[in-house]
Amino acid sequence: QVQLQESGPGLVKPSETLSLTCTVSGGSISTYSWSWIRQPPGKGLEWIGYIHSSGSTNYIPSLKGRATISVDTSKNQFSLRMTSVTAADTALYYCARGTKMAIINDWGQGTLVTVSS
Amino acid sequence: QSALTQPASVSGSPGQSITISCTGTSSDVGGYNYVSWYQQHPGKAPKLMIYDVGNRPSGVSSRFSGSKSGNTASLTISGLQAEDEADYYCSSYTSSSILVFGGGTKLTVL
Repeated sequence: QVQLQESGPGLVKPSETLSLTCTVSGGSISTYSWSWIRQPPGKGLEWIGYIHSSGSTNYIPSLKGRATISVDTSKNQFSLRMTSVTAADTALYYCARGTKMAIINDWGQGTLVTVSS
Repeated sequence: QSALTQPASVSGSPGQSITISCTGTSSDVGGYNYVSWYQQHPGKAPKLMIYDVGNRPSGVSSRFSGSKSGNTASLTISGLQAEDEADYYCSSYTSSSILVFGGGTKLTVL
């Protein structure tokens, strides 16, 4: 059974860069699709983007240019980098795996990121 | 890309059946058989309950079923149990090759 664990700073200042890493255990990151999804406090889920095992990526239009997802196969990790953050980016960030891009089979426990000075 | 439309809340008594709708457009729900449903209990990560409109992952109760008609997908839970009380989210693949979620539905078991 694959397990995913998010890590990164819990507090980021406005206009700075948010960086999160997801460590995958129990499975290879060289297959399937790997997504980041966020959930503002008390609100619904928002898919941010994904990276496929082929290396292709895609992001929601509202975050294109600010969000970048990358993979480090040597560490079995993938990462999210989001620039120029504002308070609106405050959320619980989940990393997730999908056997297909449109299916999120496995989720991390989530990590709360607060954007505040 | 707008979020898919779900009712904010639904409720039912133990043993009853309920249905949660998820309305999109021909560019997402109506255009692809790639609708999934997720269950989220408070403080927990979401769990996949239905994928590709009507398929259940291994281990998910047969009380959960999914369907689609036109631009609207539906999740039906039969024989409601107290443990089914949770938030439910639908998602769909879109013509922009992205994934979009519904706003979520809170299920209350009376």
